[in-house]
Amino acid sequence: AQSVTQLGSHVSVSEGALVLLRCNYSSSVPPYLFWYVQYPNQGLQLLLKYTSAATLVKGINGFEAEFKKSETSFHLTKPSAHMSDAAEYFCAVIKSSNQGGKLIFGQGTELSVKP
Amino acid sequence: GAGVSQTPSNKVTEKGKYVELRCDPISGHTALYWYRQSLGQGPEFLIYFQGTGAADDSGLPNDRFFAVRPEGSVSTLKIQRTERGDSAVYLCASSLGGEEQFFGPGTRLTVL
Repeated sequence: AQSVTQLGSHVSVSEGALVLLRCNYSSSVPPYLFWYVQYPNQGLQLLLKYTSAATLVKGINGFEAEFKKSETSFHLTKPSAHMSDAAEYFCAVIKSSNQGGKLIFGQGTELSVKP
Repeated sequence: GAGVSQTPSNKVTEKGKYVELRCDPISGHTALYWYRQSLGQGPEFLIYFQGTGAADDSGLPNDRFFAVRPEGSVSTLKIQRTERGDSAVYLCASSLGGEEQFFGPGTRLTVL
């Protein structure tokens, strides 16, 4: 069965610093992986997705993630944090995309950005 | 264009009551999903519709929960005999059947 583990329920960085949010997955088949962001009182917004093409995936708002099969990881990074990046971030996995399917989410990581 | 909408945005009810939560997906999206997000947790899958039929309802916690999508568009999640443990944010998402799901803002359900 697929599962996702996010290391660190809360991450705090200074404005301009590197953002690193960790995600490890468990899957018996090649996974499709996602990062979603949730701003307060808003719905989930897709940041980026890995669908077995390039292992380095670029998303919106300057975020990117690298799929590393050997480490079963899909960590999210941004070179320079902005105050507007403060939000909850969720890593998710889906078994197959050709006919849709349920997303399995991690517990989430709350990102705080200090001025 | 219009995104996924959910009504009501907030619902407060008493233990034992019946509630209905509505989801309007993006026009033309054939797949519709319901998730439940408890405080401090990631969303958990409840049920998935492809067209009018439930393709996967394995996430419904018990038979008090039921969802319909009679015309393949709007969906209603129905909860009977609500319990305090049902309090959560209920999220709806839709997709064209591919991997990207578009989420609504959610309905916050509070059971007193």
